[in-house]
Amino acid sequence: AQSVTQLDSHVSVSEGTPVLLRCNYSSSYSPSLFWYVQHPNKGLQLLLKYTSAATLVKGINGFEAEFKKSETSFHLTKPSAHMSDAAEYFCVVSDYDMRFGAGTRLTVKP
Amino acid sequence: NAGVTQTPKFQVLKTGQSMTLQCAQDMNHNSMYWYRQDPGMGLRLIYYSASEGTTDKGEVPNGYNVSRLNKREFSLRLESAAPSQTSVYFCASSLNRGASNQPQHFGDGTRLSIL
Repeated sequence: AQSVTQLDSHVSVSEGTPVLLRCNYSSSYSPSLFWYVQHPNKGLQLLLKYTSAATLVKGINGFEAEFKKSETSFHLTKPSAHMSDAAEYFCVVSDYDMRFGAGTRLTVKP
Repeated sequence: NAGVTQTPKFQVLKTGQSMTLQCAQDMNHNSMYWYRQDPGMGLRLIYYSASEGTTDKGEVPNGYNVSRLNKREFSLRLESAAPSQTSVYFCASSLNRGASNQPQHFGDGTRLSIL
């Protein structure tokens, strides 16, 4: 069975500093992995996806994630946070159906 | 570029009332999904339709029914609403369920309160 754990329910950073949102997964197969972002009162928007090609995946808005099979991790990073990055972020594992993490709320302080 | 459209956006019901949430996609996707989102729990799958004419239960189907009206439309019905069904409901679609590398596309959600 597949599962995903987002290690932080809330992350707070200052504008201009790096962002790290952590995600560990468990899957019986070689999964696909996704990060979605949800802004207040909006649906989920795809940030990036890993599908067994390059282990470093670049997404929209300057985000990227690195797939590490040995650590079963897929952490999301951004070099410099912007106020508009404040949102909820979901890590998702998919080997047939999608399984969502509980979410990490990112706060960006001016 | 509508993508996935959900109606209504907000609704307040009394316990025991019934309600149908509507969803339509214009991306020619075969598979559609209904999720509920509760604080600290991510999204949980209620029902899905892998293709037109089929529907199946997800993780939390109790208290809900669905109809895949045609390829574009997938509705979710609450027959007798309960306070535990207060949640944000999301409809999503993808080209084909089971193709793990294909992302799902989401609507903006329906915020439902049951009093």
